[in-house]
Amino acid sequence: EVLLLESGGGLVQPGGSLRLSCAASGFTFSDYTMSWVRQAPGKGLEWVSAINSGTGNTFYADSVKGRFTISRDNSKNTLYLEMNSLRAEDTAVYYCAKHNSGGFEYWGQGTLVTVSS
Amino acid sequence: QTVVTQEPSFSVSPGGTVTLTCGLTSGSVSTSHYPSWYQQTPGQAPRTLIYNTNIRSSGVPDRFSGSILGNKAALTITGAQADDECLYYCVLFMRRGIWVFGGGTKLTVL
Repeated sequence: EVLLLESGGGLVQPGGSLRLSCAASGFTFSDYTMSWVRQAPGKGLEWVSAINSGTGNTFYADSVKGRFTISRDNSKNTLYLEMNSLRAEDTAVYYCAKHNSGGFEYWGQGTLVTVSS
Repeated sequence: QTVVTQEPSFSVSPGGTVTLTCGLTSGSVSTSHYPSWYQQTPGQAPRTLIYNTNIRSSGVPDRFSGSILGNKAALTITGAQADDECLYYCVLFMRRGIWVFGGGTKLTVL
């Protein structure tokens, strides 16, 4: 069974930093592209970032480029999202998602990030 | 900037058939966009229905189907049931590794 368990969310002040983790199990983590997707309260889904399996190439939405960094540790089956210079508009539930041949196949339950003073 | 479009809302009668669409403000959707569809109920994580245009995710009943209709991706639900009432999102793969979600369609079954 594929499981994705996010952690690291919480309350942070504007301008602050936070690191999210996503522990994966039930599949060969190193073989798959992984993404972070977020959902602000009462809003729709927004893709944030992805990291390829083989090349480790990374991709970002314009809204987070230069502030967020995605990474993975294949030895620990863990995906990360380092978030810096956080803004109120970054407040959201952050989901990690496993890709398949097209789109996102499995989702975690999400972790809430609240940016507020 | 190209935006992914979805109907904000749609209604279907119980047992009826509904087709939700996913388009682009500029250009046509094709299989190269790997359109996929997700279902979400309030407070829950999204559930994958369809990926790669028309492949049903594991455990998804065959009354959910995906296709390309004209210049848009489409999700068709046949034999609509009460628990199909929720939000539906599509996402498209753009160039340079970027994915863009549509704004979602709120489906009402009544």
